[in-house]
Amino acid sequence: GDSVTQMEGPVTLSEEAFLTINCTYTATGYPSLFWYVQYPGEGLQLLLKATKADDKGSNKGFEATYRKETTSFHLEKGSVQVSDSAVYFCALSAYSGGYQKVTFGTGTKLQVIP
Amino acid sequence: DTAVSQTPKYLVTQMGNDKSIKCEQNLGHDTMYWYKQDSKKFLKIMFSYNNKELIINETVPNRFSPKSPDKAHLNLHINSLELGDSAVYFCASSRSMGQGVSNEQYFGPGTRLTVT
Repeated sequence: GDSVTQMEGPVTLSEEAFLTINCTYTATGYPSLFWYVQYPGEGLQLLLKATKADDKGSNKGFEATYRKETTSFHLEKGSVQVSDSAVYFCALSAYSGGYQKVTFGTGTKLQVIP
Repeated sequence: DTAVSQTPKYLVTQMGNDKSIKCEQNLGHDTMYWYKQDSKKFLKIMFSYNNKELIINETVPNRFSPKSPDKAHLNLHINSLELGDSAVYFCASSRSMGQGVSNEQYFGPGTRLTVT
């Protein structure tokens, strides 16, 4: 079945540091890929997405590129802020058996210290 | 205007009780989901409904029963609550799950269930 593997956290960075959170996937067909963010005490919200190979999703300074050859969708940000502290989930959506099924990674907690 | 809302936000109850969580979305989506998030933030899908029809029913005890009275609502009823049911339950919605559709999900704020 489909799966998403994320680097384990927590990840602790100083403000203005460079962020990378690794995400790799296995899926049949051509999935769409997503990053969701969950701030403390809130539900998940979409951060960015990419629907086909070589697409780059971007939002709020975060970027991720859909790499089919390496089955990866790594999340990057050039300069993190304290307000970026949250849990980040990589996810894929793939069509199978007549419907789209979404598979989430285990989440990576990011803590940014001043 | 809240897109996906859940009630209650907090629910504290004793073992053996029966409780319900309600979810409503005003996005016009026709697919809704229930997820369970444990203390380690691991997110597990429980159910998915498309146009009021059950589409996904993962391995969940039959004490959990979803009900979708219409496309905008998906409720979760839990019978005979157990300590292990303590978690945060999230409702979500998305557009139709057809082929070729990139269906990002919109999540509610969550219901924190504590069973004592």
